[in-house]
Parts: sequence; structure tokens; C-alpha cells
Amino acid sequence: DAGVIQSPRHEVTEMGQEVTLRCKPISGHDYLFWYRQTMMRGLELLIYFNNNVPIDDSGMPEDRFSAKMPNASFSTLKIQPSEPRDSAVYFCASSLGGASETQYFGPGTRLLVL
Amino acid sequence: QKEVEQDPGPLSVPEGAIVSLNCTYSNSAFQYFMWYRQYSRKGPELLMYTYSSGNKEDGRFTAQVDKSSKYISLFIRDSQPSDSATYLCAMSGPGSNTGKLIFGQGTTLQVKP
Repeated sequence: DAGVIQSPRHEVTEMGQEVTLRCKPISGHDYLFWYRQTMMRGLELLIYFNNNVPIDDSGMPEDRFSAKMPNASFSTLKIQPSEPRDSAVYFCASSLGGASETQYFGPGTRLLVL
Repeated sequence: QKEVEQDPGPLSVPEGAIVSLNCTYSNSAFQYFMWYRQYSRKGPELLMYTYSSGNKEDGRFTAQVDKSSKYISLFIRDSQPSDSATYLCAMSGPGSNTGKLIFGQGTTLQVKP
């Protein structure tokens, strides 16, 4: 298996622009997670899905962030409008089962908002 | 107070040293304890997994869980330069959100040749 695939790997945008991050989980995995990592705050869970249904979005910073999972093989995280404080590395992870199971992380998307 | 506390370091040791990495937590419901390793500019990957209390050993790595003290540790014996990475503890369990892992801040380790 190719592992979790994320795109783009790097994104530079200007404040106010819309940003869309994409993720393809490992085939057969029923959980998908979106994380954000910064030096100051570490790795934070933003939202996770089980069988394409959002279960917990309490980590989503504010209404500017939204996530969708239209099918088992694709998810998006959208930021609209983007702000400089959104600059971070965004990881997607998937697992076969809940928190007791191994989460497999993608390579991440490095986002810089100018 | 964060649910999981981890000293971010950095920690620098000579090659061959024994390394001790630690996390404390506040939620007594946690039962699943993991250590993830993250190399620079990569995603985290699972290194060790422990259910409930006790020790688990895998080669040069040993994970310990002390639920009475709400304290977990990762020991690395005969450390190698290739062990240089950030180590994140993570935990979850019944009574909390069943899909949710809570991560520590991560400790950055450098092993010098």
C-alpha cells in the first residue's frame, strides 16, 4: 500500500485566500484524522471521521475551518479565509479501528500564510 | 493544565547512552499508551504500544506505564545517531472519546556520534 497520501506537500498563500488540503487514507481504514502541528502547540487533533461521518470536531479552531469526507478514499480540510496564524504543518492520519489502533500518518502539508 | 505533559527538550546525548523520555497525564481513564517517533519533516510513526500498566520491550526500546503515578516512560538503550528524532507520547481509553488520541508536546532527541 502507498500509505496515506496528502496533497499539496507545500502551500504558500496570502492572507484571505482559500486553502484546500487533501488526503487519501489507506484503503480499508475506517478512521480518518486531521491534525495540526506547530512548535508552540505541538500536535493537535482538529477533527476525525469514522466511516466518513465526522465524530469529533471540537479541535477545529473556528468557523474558518471545515472538513469533509465524501467517500472512504478522500477527505478535504478547507480554510477560508486563511490567516497567518494558520501557518503550520497539517497531517492526515488513518487507522483500522479507534484510538487503540495504530494511526498511520501522511507526510503532511506545510502551509505558510503570508 | 494539559491532559498530557511532556518536556519538549531538546535532549542531547552521546552515542551509546541510555535515554529516558517521560510523560505525565491527568486522566485516570487512559488505558492505551503509545510512543510515536517523528523524524524531521516526516509524519509520526508508531514506535511502541502498551495496554494498561507494565513494561514492554522491543529491541533497544522499553516502554513503561505506571498508572498509579499517571506516568509513562520510554527507555532507549545503546542510543544511536539514527535515533535522533522527536518522540511523542500518546494515550487514550474508555470513558474518553473512543477515536481520540491525546498527544504530548514531543521531546526532541539528538544523539551525537
